[in-house]
Amino acid sequence: EAQVTQNPRYLITVTGKKLTVTCSQNMNHEYMSWYRQDPGLGLRQIYYSMNVEVTDKGDVPEGYKVSRKEKRNFPLILESPSPNQTSLYFCASSGTRGMGSYEQYFGPGTRLTVT
Amino acid sequence: AQSVTQLDSQVPVFEEAPVELRCNYSSSVSVYLFWYVQYPNQGLQLLLKYLSGSTLVESINGFEAEFNKSQTSFHLRKPSVHISDTAEYFCAVVSGGSNYKLTFGKGTLLTVNP
Repeated sequence: EAQVTQNPRYLITVTGKKLTVTCSQNMNHEYMSWYRQDPGLGLRQIYYSMNVEVTDKGDVPEGYKVSRKEKRNFPLILESPSPNQTSLYFCASSGTRGMGSYEQYFGPGTRLTVT
Repeated sequence: AQSVTQLDSQVPVFEEAPVELRCNYSSSVSVYLFWYVQYPNQGLQLLLKYLSGSTLVESINGFEAEFNKSQTSFHLRKPSVHISDTAEYFCAVVSGGSNYKLTFGKGTLLTVNP
């Protein structure tokens, strides 16, 4: 089954304790992206990656890091989480060839609470 | 730069009534348009999309949206809603040449009351 998986689904942590949210896709997609969803703000892009070793900032990159060492994985790293990073996070992927390249597939989401 | 405006943050309706969720976008180049739905405590699901061809697109559960280039709109409609349609709906756009960036509107919460 084609899918994007994220782990963990729920996480409660404390300010300053480094954490990683994993994202993996099994569709051989080149493009991957991270979003955060906050009430009244919709989804905003944090980082994206066009392919292995190619990453770039989205609209709200402050406080986050990413890496793309393998095509299927795109982890999101919070080196020193703060309460304003409490949010619902989504990973997404898509191909980059043809019309299907504009449709993104989303993971189930990770609800992060930073106290 | 591309942007999306969803004109209503909340839309309450009664069951079996028609509904329209409005979406306007801005972009100077060709666009690809999407509606995603998020049911309570769930992730995002693609509801329907416009990539090319017919400007009227339909979903399997009775929703439809029409791409109107002159009005830069992609409104979502359903002639008769059910309680189970209660969800948040997000309009999104990708512009050609935007590095596949998907820009979302802020969402419209559709609440269907009995």
